Amino acid sequence: TQLLEQSPQFLSIQEGENLTVYCNSSSVFSSLQWYRQEPGEGPVLLVTVVTGGEVKKLKRLTFQFGDARKDSSLHITAAQTGDTGLYLCAGKFMEYGNKLVFGAGTILRVKS
Amino acid sequence: DTGVSQNPRHKITKRGQNVTFRCDPISEHNRLYWYRQTLGQGPEFLTYFQNEAQLEKSRLLSDRFSAERPKGSFSTLEIQRTEQGDSAMYLCASSYQGASEQYFGPGTRLTVT
Repeated sequence: TQLLEQSPQFLSIQEGENLTVYCNSSSVFSSLQWYRQEPGEGPVLLVTVVTGGEVKKLKRLTFQFGDARKDSSLHITAAQTGDTGLYLCAGKFMEYGNKLVFGAGTILRVKS
Repeated sequence: DTGVSQNPRHKITKRGQNVTFRCDPISEHNRLYWYRQTLGQGPEFLTYFQNEAQLEKSRLLSDRFSAERPKGSFSTLEIQRTEQGDSAMYLCASSYQGASEQYFGPGTRLTVT
């Protein structure tokens, strides 16, 4: 069992649709980051959340952090083809020090 | 604003050869991390430095792997006697001490034939 689970693993939608991806852990995050990665490139940081219940917005992307700091979601409104990519959540946990623990990611494909 | 850079971007080597990768972090960042990512998985932590001190190593980092950051600036990751299972994307990230965010470089794609 992985420490950090992401769902769904793969999502294929039409341009203009909305979507949500999820990140869950059995342990409490001390902080959580969402990254987007394109093939052959490194992950690009989208957002960091730290406080339980926190909501952050980045244009059409809305990030929520659960009250108990064990889960997070990323919601994209009116998806565009440029949103296509691998979305990774990564967290720091008190018991694991300074390293980031990553989920396996959600592959998003937005079709025109 | 210069981000994290990694060289080379791609490396193809034969099994048994040694390879070395370089990472140049964001200049003000004193922490530097190495991760490995295989197809269909998220990155996995290998090791990290604070300035020139290597503070943590994963059990994934076998004795064939060694990392250095001699002057607290750039870092190198060397793999000796490469195996096919070493084929992966090797990612470097940097951060300020105490910061949650880590910023990644473009990675080095290693293929061992």
